[in-house]
Amino acid sequence: QSVLTQPPSVSGAPGQRVIISCTGSSSNIGADYDVHWFQQLPGTAPKLLIYGNINRPSGVPDRFSGSKSGTSASLAITGLQAEDEADYYCQSYDNSLSGYLFGTGTQVTVL
Amino acid sequence: QVQLQQSGPGLVKPSQTLSLTCAISGDSVSRDYAAWNWIRQSPSRGLEWLGRAYYISKWNNEYAESLKGRLTINPDTSKNQFSLQLNSVTPEDTGLYYCARGSSWPRGWYFDLWGRGTLVTVSS
Repeated sequence: QSVLTQPPSVSGAPGQRVIISCTGSSSNIGADYDVHWFQQLPGTAPKLLIYGNINRPSGVPDRFSGSKSGTSASLAITGLQAEDEADYYCQSYDNSLSGYLFGTGTQVTVL
Repeated sequence: QVQLQQSGPGLVKPSQTLSLTCAISGDSVSRDYAAWNWIRQSPSRGLEWLGRAYYISKWNNEYAESLKGRLTINPDTSKNQFSLQLNSVTPEDTGLYYCARGSSWPRGWYFDLWGRGTLVTVSS
């Protein structure tokens, strides 16, 4: 079954670094499809945070960075700030589904 | 500034058809290498891509396998908008529906612009 698995929650103190993992399989991330990341603040639509594994759209702080290796990808947030409290989702293409797949989502809490 | 403005009813009866519209400002529904998507979100299913319409040499549609046969996404070039029609809805189709623009990328498109969402409840 095609799924992108993320940890349900991660937390950190202000200023710390947190990492969110996104684990896929040979039909999506492992098939060399790129991973994109979204931030969803409470009550709002998802917002593109990282595209093509590592690229930040204009206006996204460089505290956010992405990486990909094998069948997994990661989003790192350095210098955690209170405004980073949100849900984060990864996304990729899956060739067994012939469609687009979102991760299970991770809630980031700033302690 | 590019924006997507969603419209449509928030309540649909079981077995009926759900219809939503997404009006585009600042971009064109006919632009090559832009795709116009519908995505929904619910507590039970998370974020779920439903399908898309896009123009590359001709109009193309792609739909999630789970919804093929029930879902139609149509562009309307005269009004610069696109629509979703989901037939034979059940309570499992309840959720927050988003329209979103897809941008082409060599190894998989990404969604760079989203509407604000429409909460749809399927109930009698």
